Amino acid sequence: DQQVKQNSPSLSVQEGRISILNCDYTNSMFDYFLWYKKYPAEGPTFLISISSIKDKNEDGRFTVFLNKSAKHLSLHIVPSQPGDSAVYFCAATLDNYGQNFVFGPGTRLSVLP
Amino acid sequence: DADVTQTPRNRITKTGKRIMLECSQTKGHDRMYWYRQDPGLGLRLIYYSFDVKDINKGEISDGYSVSRQAQAKFSLSLESAIPNQTALYFCATSDLGDSGRAAGHEQFFGPGTRLTVL
Repeated sequence: DQQVKQNSPSLSVQEGRISILNCDYTNSMFDYFLWYKKYPAEGPTFLISISSIKDKNEDGRFTVFLNKSAKHLSLHIVPSQPGDSAVYFCAATLDNYGQNFVFGPGTRLSVLP
Repeated sequence: DADVTQTPRNRITKTGKRIMLECSQTKGHDRMYWYRQDPGLGLRLIYYSFDVKDINKGEISDGYSVSRQAQAKFSLSLESAIPNQTALYFCATSDLGDSGRAAGHEQFFGPGTRLTVL
């Protein structure tokens, strides 16, 4: 049973609009959450993270929201750009030492010009 | 030059063959990881190493072994490859922050090795 779920395998958004990628988790002990972006033929690259003591973290066009009671986080991209087209992975860590990374299956975002 | 490199990038092999995937990093990180990615399953941890003398099993270590030859090198071996080990394999590194916690928990990934076992 997956501990980190991304229920939308794909998402298409018009350029300039908002992209919202969702992630749900089952383990309330997760204390840190990350989003990674992956282009074809490349490894994932870190995008943004949030600690469980916060409910929002913003970095430029990217904002991550965390709702601990719902065990849900979301990544907002505003405005979306064609270069944002990639697979986005949600990941969570279980402890302070970062060895237990659990990744979701990913959502493929397509930003249409 | 890439900070985390993997060789080979692509490999096709036959059932029963021994395969080694290699990972090198120039980031100076102590921690290294091996993951595999399968469609619909995300990345799953195979093995991880916190320093040269430390090796730990991850979620799916059966059928795999690793060797940490130096701080910069971490290799993954399939002793007798089988078709369900066909996947995309990623090596990653991370570091500790000043607080002793994994700095931002961010991992740096290599470009991946696509392995096909026939």
